[in-house]
Amino acid sequence: DVKVTQSSRYLVKRTGEKVFLECVQDMDHENMFWYRQDPGLGLRLIYFSYDVKMKEKGDIPEGYSVSREKKERFSLILESASTNQTSMYLCASSSPSTLHFGNGTRLTVT
Amino acid sequence: GNSVTQMEGPVTLSEEAFLTINCTYTATGYPSLFWYVQYPGEGLQLLLKATKADDKGSNKGFEATYRKETTSFHLEKGSVQVSDSAVYFCALSDISTDKLIFGTGTRLQVFP
Repeated sequence: DVKVTQSSRYLVKRTGEKVFLECVQDMDHENMFWYRQDPGLGLRLIYFSYDVKMKEKGDIPEGYSVSREKKERFSLILESASTNQTSMYLCASSSPSTLHFGNGTRLTVT
Repeated sequence: GNSVTQMEGPVTLSEEAFLTINCTYTATGYPSLFWYVQYPGEGLQLLLKATKADDKGSNKGFEATYRKETTSFHLEKGSVQVSDSAVYFCALSDISTDKLIFGTGTRLQVFP
């Protein structure tokens, strides 16, 4: 079974803090994704990566950056957290056309 | 651009009732279509998929048929169980980028 692990289930951070969300997959997938999930809005793509050191903006990249130094690890960075970034964050990796998700990180910014 | 529209929830049913969750899409070309399920406290899991017109995806008693003429991919199950209570997401793949585009999700609540 594919395993996608997100390092934290719950995080509480203060406005202005730099926040790192970590994601690791164990299936040697090339493609990895970060989504945020909000009630009534479904899942929205923040960033994705097709290979090590490669990244592409998704639909809502503002206020976020990413890092992919190793194939198995894809990090989402909030440079200066704001209250409107309070959300559930979901990481995924993909075999062809099928996404495998982690359990999510619920981030609260106060 | 590509988009997915699914019925708003929550959908509330008694155990053993018939389930339909509607999903329609707008896309160029011929995308693959998916249903994902999210159980409480978990990430999303692939439930079923269909890759071309008239294909039927099925899993765990759920079915959905890729209808090109109506641009739909409705999810059905003949007899729901309490354990089916979850949020269901319809999605399509952007064939040029392999990204998935999701609907807003439909919460299903099944009562004994």
